[in-house]
Amino acid sequence: DQQVKQNSPSLSVQEGRISILNCDYTNSMFDYFLWYKKYPAEGPTFLISISSIKDKNEDGRFTVFLNKSAKHLSLHIVPSQPGDSAVYFCAASGTNDYKLSFGAGTTVTVRA
Amino acid sequence: DSGVTQTPKHLITATGQRVTLRCSPRSGDLSVYWYQQSLDQGLQFLIHYYNGEERAKGNILERFSAQQFPDLHSELNLSSLELGDSALYFCASSVPGQPQHFGDGTRLSIL
Repeated sequence: DQQVKQNSPSLSVQEGRISILNCDYTNSMFDYFLWYKKYPAEGPTFLISISSIKDKNEDGRFTVFLNKSAKHLSLHIVPSQPGDSAVYFCAASGTNDYKLSFGAGTTVTVRA
Repeated sequence: DSGVTQTPKHLITATGQRVTLRCSPRSGDLSVYWYQQSLDQGLQFLIHYYNGEERAKGNILERFSAQQFPDLHSELNLSSLELGDSALYFCASSVPGQPQHFGDGTRLSIL
């Protein structure tokens, strides 16, 4: 049962433009959400997170938005750079339940 | 470099065999997590250890077991291997409540 879903397997964006990645979840007990970035032959690297008490968190070029009523979050990357080309995973966990549930990932390709 | 070390990077073995995957967490992290990533899928949680004690189990097969040692390194043991066990196995470590940091994984290939 996939509790975290990333419905877009891939995204292609021009360098300098905005990348928007989407993620939906079904478990209402999730209260902590994270985005990870993964390059080939490497492990996932933590990018940004958001707690359910917030609806937005920003870190440099990366902003995560959380819509609890819709059980939806998104990651905005502005401006997109060639080094952002990677697989992005959305993940979620519940209070005192530290295991992460992952989406299947979205492959982002930034075109020059 | 996440600070989490996994060995070996690659493992090729045959069906029916047993293997051990090793993970050294970041300095100071008491929690170790194991995840399995099959082809083109997201990571699936297997098991969580905190300071030597098992804290949570996911959909981990009975053929799989893990432990965390007093020096906090962890081992994942996979036995009676089947073709379907071929996957990437990731270890992560963290301080509870903080983001998990992942190693580069062990790629297990069953022939």
